[in-house]
Amino acid sequence: GQQVMQIPQYQHVQEGEDFTTYCNSSTTLSNIQWYKQRPGGHPVFLIQLVKSGEVKKQKRLTFQFGEAKKNSSLHITATQTTDVGTYFCAGDFGNEKLTFGTGTRLTIIP
Amino acid sequence: GAVVSQHPSWVICKSGTSVKIECRSLDFQATTMFWYRQFPKQSLMLMATSNEGSKATYEQGVEKDKFLINHASLTLSTLTVTSAHPEDSSFYICSASPGRVSTEAFFGQGTRLTVV
Repeated sequence: GQQVMQIPQYQHVQEGEDFTTYCNSSTTLSNIQWYKQRPGGHPVFLIQLVKSGEVKKQKRLTFQFGEAKKNSSLHITATQTTDVGTYFCAGDFGNEKLTFGTGTRLTIIP
Repeated sequence: GAVVSQHPSWVICKSGTSVKIECRSLDFQATTMFWYRQFPKQSLMLMATSNEGSKATYEQGVEKDKFLINHASLTLSTLTVTSAHPEDSSFYICSASPGRVSTEAFFGQGTRLTVV
């Protein structure tokens, strides 16, 4: 079936260090979205990537979509305590619904 | 951004009873809404696609007779967990998009269901 895997499952970083989570799909995606979920909260949309090789930036966050549209990454520069949470990628396989990745839980050591 | 409201935020019920969860799009109309289930520290698993005015589309392995979905208007979808059992305890969350369903999704606050 269509699956979306993420690595790592957990990441503990010192405040100020960088953080990267990787997302891989079993098949080509129509588009990929990234969400952040704080502990006890609901997912909040961060960005959508549509084009092959696309790179988008939001302040300290950089999102990439692979050339084959099967993988993606989220990189956070100089993490802050407010970055704590679980980051999910969610892929659209062209079937008008999202398949969520397994998520990467980020904790920050002050 | 758009607002999706989910109610209740938490509920405790006795085994064998039914629980209804509401999902409302407050400032936009949604012909399609989605219902997810999330176990602690795990990902969101799509349960079903709720379609306004027609039957919901359930994902493989989800019992449609146990998880009843009604989408009677363009702003309201309901999920009823029938004859709940402890294994149904979970975090249930809905989402909707103002535009095409493959664009930015807005999530409700989620409902934490505990069946005792």
